Order: sequence, then C-alpha cells, then structure tokens
Amino acid sequence: QLQLQESGPRLVKPSETLSLTCTVSGGSISGSSYYWGWIRQPPGKGLEWIGSISYSGSTKYNPSLKSRVTISVDASKNQFSLKLSSVTAADTSVYYCARHIEGSAIIARHWGQGTLVTVSS
Amino acid sequence: DIQMTQSPSTLSASVGDRVTITCRASQSINRWLAWYQQKPGKAPKLLIYEASSLESGVPSRFSGSGSGTEFTLTISSLQPDDFATYYCQHYETYTNTFGQGTKLEIK
Repeated sequence: QLQLQESGPRLVKPSETLSLTCTVSGGSISGSSYYWGWIRQPPGKGLEWIGSISYSGSTKYNPSLKSRVTISVDASKNQFSLKLSSVTAADTSVYYCARHIEGSAIIARHWGQGTLVTVSS
Repeated sequence: DIQMTQSPSTLSASVGDRVTITCRASQSINRWLAWYQQKPGKAPKLLIYEASSLESGVPSRFSGSGSGTEFTLTISSLQPDDFATYYCQHYETYTNTFGQGTKLEIK
C-alpha cells in the first residue's frame, strides 16, 4: 500500500526558506508515470495546490507561488522535496505531499498525513 | 485565472437526506473537475474525478455530474460518516484550483 510521509522543520523564520521532504513507501517513484506534488492548507482555511514533479523532473507550479517554489525529486531515496523561499506568516499551513492520478499533475489520489509548518520569529 | 465557487458554504442536513453541492467555474473547464472529502485533522480524500468518475472504494451514494462551468456533487442518502467538508478542484489549467469548500453539518 502506497504511503507518503512529510518531514522537515516545523518552525521557520520569516524571510527564510521552508524545506520539506516526502518519503514514499510501498511504491517507487522511479520509472512511474505519475506526478508527485505538494498541497497546503492554512489553519482553518481551504486548500491550495503548490506544484508537482514527474519522475523525469518535469515540474508544474502554481503561478502565484512559482517565483518562490522549487520541487525536486531524488529517486534513489524514493523522495521528493519542496522548497519555498522568502516565507512570511501567510505561508503558515499544513503541507501535504501527494501522488496524483495518472495523467494529471493536479488531482491527488494518495496523500501524506500532512505537517504543520509555522512561520514565526 | 479560473475561479471556482462552491455553494452553499455550509449545509445542514440529516442522516438519510439527499444533498447536492454545486461548484461553478468562471470559465469552461470541460469535465476537468474533481471532488474531495476532508474530515478535521485529516488529509482530503478523492471522491470523484473527471466530473463523474467515482474513485475506487468510494460508496455509490456519491455521484458527480456536470460539464463546462457547472458541476454538482450529490450524496443520495447521507450517512453519519459523510459529515465533513467537501472541496471541488479543477484541473483545466495549472493555477490555484480549489473551491473554497462546503461544510456539511448535522442538522
């Protein structure tokens, strides 16, 4: 059974870079035709698609975040990562990693449990 | 950007009721729409994609319809486990793609 687990610092200072890693188990990123992505949700608010990456490294980003976002993949570790630069309090959210449905870089079928990242000094 | 508007924002209903949630797009998204269910403290769960395709394992009381700019999620007979927040999401373009959510509450 496919499982995804987010990891990384839970507290980030304003203006710094948020970094999260998603470790995939029960399936392989290598050679798959799926996109692997990130979605976030501010406490008590709605969902926002951040972006996603294919095994081959093709990326799709939400234009509203594109200037600050980098998503990368490390197939040897069966992991993919998110970096969000120049964070502010508005970036405080639960961050979810996900595997998307075949043929889509947006629709998420398998989700991690999510991790709350707080931006605060 | 394509804007997704869900209605209502909150819906009160009873077990056994038939309920419908609507999602409207600001421009045509063909059938590129999905629905999710989210319970407090949990990740969303995919229910329907491509407007009407039921995700594997999702009860058949859930159904989706629509195309173009107007879509609906229908629950034919509410069960206690269905009280949650529901989100639509388009995948016509790579933008912020979710509706604002509809909270389904027990009446």
